[in-house]
Amino acid sequence: EVQLVESGGGLVEPGGSLRLSCAASGFTFSSAWMSWVRQGPGKGLEWVGRIKTKGGGGTTDYATPVKGRFSISRDDSTNTLYLQMNGLKSDDTAVYYCSWVGRSGDSPNYYYYMAVWGKGTTVTVSS
Amino acid sequence: DMQMTQSPSSLSASVGDRVTITCRASQTINNYLNWYQQKPGKAPKPLIYAASSLLSGVPSRFSGSGSGTDFTLTISSLQPEDFATYHCQQSFSAPYTFGQGTKLEIK
Repeated sequence: EVQLVESGGGLVEPGGSLRLSCAASGFTFSSAWMSWVRQGPGKGLEWVGRIKTKGGGGTTDYATPVKGRFSISRDDSTNTLYLQMNGLKSDDTAVYYCSWVGRSGDSPNYYYYMAVWGKGTTVTVSS
Repeated sequence: DMQMTQSPSSLSASVGDRVTITCRASQTINNYLNWYQQKPGKAPKPLIYAASSLLSGVPSRFSGSGSGTDFTLTISSLQPEDFATYHCQQSFSAPYTFGQGTKLEIK
């Protein structure tokens, strides 16, 4: 069974740092693009960023509000995805989900979507 | 960044109704459009990718259409389990932005 389990959330003061983890199982993690998506209280979904496979260059992309403050990394030896969050602001308060990025279609015109989601971990930024 | 605008923001309907939710992109995205369903306190579930391709296990009463900038999600005959929030997302270019969501409520 494919499973994603996030951890590391909690209460942090503005300006602080936090590192989220996402433990993956049930699929070949090293072959998977992975993403983080967040949802603020009573708000819609916000794409945070994505990391490609190491074979694909391990390239990362980020949403504008988090660029330069957040960093996504992966450890294929332990099937773990990370989200390092620095310079946290109150607007970063949200449930953070990790997601396996699914792919369909034919090269080079692949379609990507968030195929499997974890249950999320809550980050609260407050003094 | 690409802006995705859903309408309406909320919608009341009855079991058996046909409902349509619209998603508009600020720039053309061809058919790189995904739809997700989310129930309260749960993670989203993917329904449709490439604007109209239903994912495995998604009931056939769900359908998607559109290309360019305008897209729709249609539920042909609402079932009790369909009352949820629906989100669109463009996968044309990073950052892969979502719409603000449409909450579908029971009338």
